[in-house]
Amino acid sequence: GEDVEQSLFLSVREGDSSVINCTYTDSSSTYLYWYKQEPGAGLQLLTYIFSNMDMKQDQRLTVLLNKKDKHLSLRIADTQTGDSAIYFCAESESNYGQNFVFGPGTRLSVLP
Amino acid sequence: KAGVTQTPRYLIKTRGQQVTLSCSPISGHRSVSWYQQTPGQGLQFLFEYFSETQRNKGNFPGRFSGRQFSNSRSEMNVSTLELGDSALYLCASSLGGRDSPLHFGNGTRLTVT
Repeated sequence: GEDVEQSLFLSVREGDSSVINCTYTDSSSTYLYWYKQEPGAGLQLLTYIFSNMDMKQDQRLTVLLNKKDKHLSLRIADTQTGDSAIYFCAESESNYGQNFVFGPGTRLSVLP
Repeated sequence: KAGVTQTPRYLIKTRGQQVTLSCSPISGHRSVSWYQQTPGQGLQFLFEYFSETQRNKGNFPGRFSGRQFSNSRSEMNVSTLELGDSALYLCASSLGGRDSPLHFGNGTRLTVT
């Protein structure tokens, strides 16, 4: 099956930028996704990028996609304590229907 | 628009029992997927239903089953519970296209003792 990899931990200072990285294996993925999970909650869709795009910006979030290297990153500008959470990247695996493959998640800690 | 609703939020069961979890999707969404989340295995796909038919299935034993009703609401059932079934079970709905984003509920936390 497909595989999605992420580093497990990231710590940043409040006000700095955070960059969360992800690598994936399915070159046929049309969209790639970023989700956020706060304690005790489900996954919140943050943003997604179409595979023929290199970059997508949405307020403080910037997604960069390097399709050749199968590398995806999420940059959070001006990181706040409320951004502390686990961030998952995901790709859609199945050619029929839906079967998302998620990375292990990156736990972002924002230090005051 | 109301989000995905999962009930109950918490469940405590003993080994050998069975359990049924419920999910109400976002209005207009015809696809419902179920995922199991554990600290050790992360997020694992259980199955997906679309228009009352199971369209995709993950690598879980037959003790895990589900169904979808004509109003798109879904239930999943786990029979003969094992300690290892303790997990957060997440339901997600979408419009159903391969790349339609999933929208998740807050999950049902199942503890098996």
